[in-house]
Amino acid sequence: DADVTQTPRNRITKTGKRIMLECSQTKGHDRMYWYRQDPGLGLRLIYYSFDVKDINKGEISDGYSVSRQAQAKFSLSLESAIPNQTALYFCATSDPGQGVYEQYFGPGTRLTVT
Amino acid sequence: AQSVTQLDSQVPVFEEAPVELRCNYSSSVSVYLFWYVQYPNQGLQLLLKYLSGSTLVKGINGFEAEFNKSQTSFHLRKPSVHISDTAEYFCAVIPPGAGGTSYGKLTFGQGTILTVHP
Repeated sequence: DADVTQTPRNRITKTGKRIMLECSQTKGHDRMYWYRQDPGLGLRLIYYSFDVKDINKGEISDGYSVSRQAQAKFSLSLESAIPNQTALYFCATSDPGQGVYEQYFGPGTRLTVT
Repeated sequence: AQSVTQLDSQVPVFEEAPVELRCNYSSSVSVYLFWYVQYPNQGLQLLLKYLSGSTLVKGINGFEAEFNKSQTSFHLRKPSVHISDTAEYFCAVIPPGAGGTSYGKLTFGQGTILTVHP
């Protein structure tokens, strides 16, 4: 089984709709991240969480919100989706406290906003 | 703050040819360096990392990278590529240690699409 899972894997939604992307991990890592990937721009950080009580904005948090329900679960919400939020979204985990500086990524969610 | 520049957005090569994907970074502090690979329709997978020690790092699938502190570079190389190496490659950095707004945050380059032709 995959260590970092994301649901759904693909989603098409309409402008103005609320949508939630979910991420779960079995790696036991404290830190979780949400990124979006756009062609030619690499990955940009939306939000990150160092533990259940710690949520931080990344470089492109406008229009997004997150919830860290447990150590293993980190959800990303688009309150009112707009077309320029069409992108590939990745969840990731890490644990520098255990010397794990690299991040482990989920398979991604492809979101299309029409 | 850190920044990462991948100097080539696309690199086409023929099968069995050598390849180098270039990565330069800027940082006011020391950093750890990573190369990730993203195969079509998949997530990112760690290819190799440099934390300390030998500046020549070997990774999976025959790839290696050399950390050059004076040139702030971390170029990725493979002596002979295969069709299956066709993917997008990302260079990334993270500052070690505690404190500061960059703590724990990975900064990615824009990506290099490697296309291996038969």
